[in-house]
Amino acid sequence: DTAVSQTPKYLVTQMGNDKSIKCEQNLGHDTMYWYKQDSKKFLKIMFSYNNKELIINETVPNRFSPKSPDKAHLNLHINSLELGDSAVYFCASSQASGGRYNEQFFGPGTRLTVL
Amino acid sequence: QKEVEQDPGPLSVPEGAIVSLNCTYSNSAFQYFMWYRQYSRKGPELLMYTYSSGNKEDGRFTAQVDKSSKYISLFIRDSQPSDSATYLCAMSYNNAGNMLTFGGGTRLMVKP
Repeated sequence: DTAVSQTPKYLVTQMGNDKSIKCEQNLGHDTMYWYKQDSKKFLKIMFSYNNKELIINETVPNRFSPKSPDKAHLNLHINSLELGDSAVYFCASSQASGGRYNEQFFGPGTRLTVL
Repeated sequence: QKEVEQDPGPLSVPEGAIVSLNCTYSNSAFQYFMWYRQYSRKGPELLMYTYSSGNKEDGRFTAQVDKSSKYISLFIRDSQPSDSATYLCAMSYNNAGNMLTFGGGTRLMVKP
């Protein structure tokens, strides 16, 4: 019973292609995120959605477009892939808990390699 | 300069040792301080979080925050080979936790 799942786990593609990564959470959370982890292990937030609405959009190229069809899903579509997009992409989710810290739960990651 | 700095390691210790992992940060607006553990090829998982300055203990793990020095630490007592992982510190301005700033992680290896 995976809490946050991502597909695919590995993605190898050519420069210039368009690809999508899917994320689903079964925790009933209302907020979902996409992070990028580079080769030096830095995790940087890209987007955050709350109840299907975009609430955080960091300085990410507009080739990256998140889509949230419902609260449990947040997909990431990437157009015109570039070499620098190679990284591990993590999806995460959290739930507001009325004063306590809202822990983020991470998926297993999608390792994207652009050739 | 990154907002949150962390020595990437690797840090190699014998089983049973006390491990000290540290982060420094530059933004005094951070209020919540977290430690995440990330095993190889897995997503990060939250170990501990602390609000403002002070200590927090959970089993073999102790988190310390010194806001005056902008310095946080994670201590692991009686380290085990299963503790071998990358440890990421993270910080946020509020308890909503939706804007986390991460350090680059320290890779820890505990040798039997």
